[in-house]
Amino acid sequence: NAGVTQTPKFQVLKTGQSMTLQCAQDMNHEYMSWYRQDPGMGLRLIHYSVGAGITDQGEVPNGYNVSRSTTEDFPLRLLSAAPSQTSVYFCASSWSSGVYTDTQYFGPGTRLTVL
Amino acid sequence: DQQVKQNSPSLSVQEGRISILNCDYTNSMFDYFLWYKKYPAEGPTFLISISSIKDKNEDGRFTVFLNKSAKHLSLHIVPSQPGDSAVYFCAASDASKTSYDKVIFGPGTSLSVIP
Repeated sequence: NAGVTQTPKFQVLKTGQSMTLQCAQDMNHEYMSWYRQDPGMGLRLIHYSVGAGITDQGEVPNGYNVSRSTTEDFPLRLLSAAPSQTSVYFCASSWSSGVYTDTQYFGPGTRLTVL
Repeated sequence: DQQVKQNSPSLSVQEGRISILNCDYTNSMFDYFLWYKKYPAEGPTFLISISSIKDKNEDGRFTVFLNKSAKHLSLHIVPSQPGDSAVYFCAASDASKTSYDKVIFGPGTSLSVIP
């Protein structure tokens, strides 16, 4: 049971390049989400999904796209990278979105630098 | 304006002593609070939570205290061990929006336990 896996661990992009951050979980969780962590700030929600085929925006969705074609995978796409997107990105999953009932599990993170 | 504040970016404690990590919040609708622990190069992991119907919750060496009137909570670690050295995030959930997409995270406190 690998839990939540993320690839790559590190990535350097030039401004304007696009890329996809991969996230997969093997726990059959319905709820998955993407966060970014910046110095001096808490984790901020980018996008989330309550199940395959369903996605929604979080607090900071601009510049990012997501899709959820399977229960296991939830990739995050940067359409045209900007230096403001330099951050550490975490994917998370849980059985449901219920805070009272289910624990949220996080992946190890992807450290992205945009030059 | 940050709704969840952790005003101490860092804290150093001697091994065996008590570590006290503080968290303040501004939204009186928050009714459920979570603490996460994060080691370098890993994702956050859930540590302990507390509902607003309680003023204390204990799990082994970790105890969280909630003071609703002061909108303040604290995480106590007794005794502190070197393996507790990590970043600790406080997070809060609104009573009317009990899903992970509505959880607000604080900026974190980096704890160093000195052997």
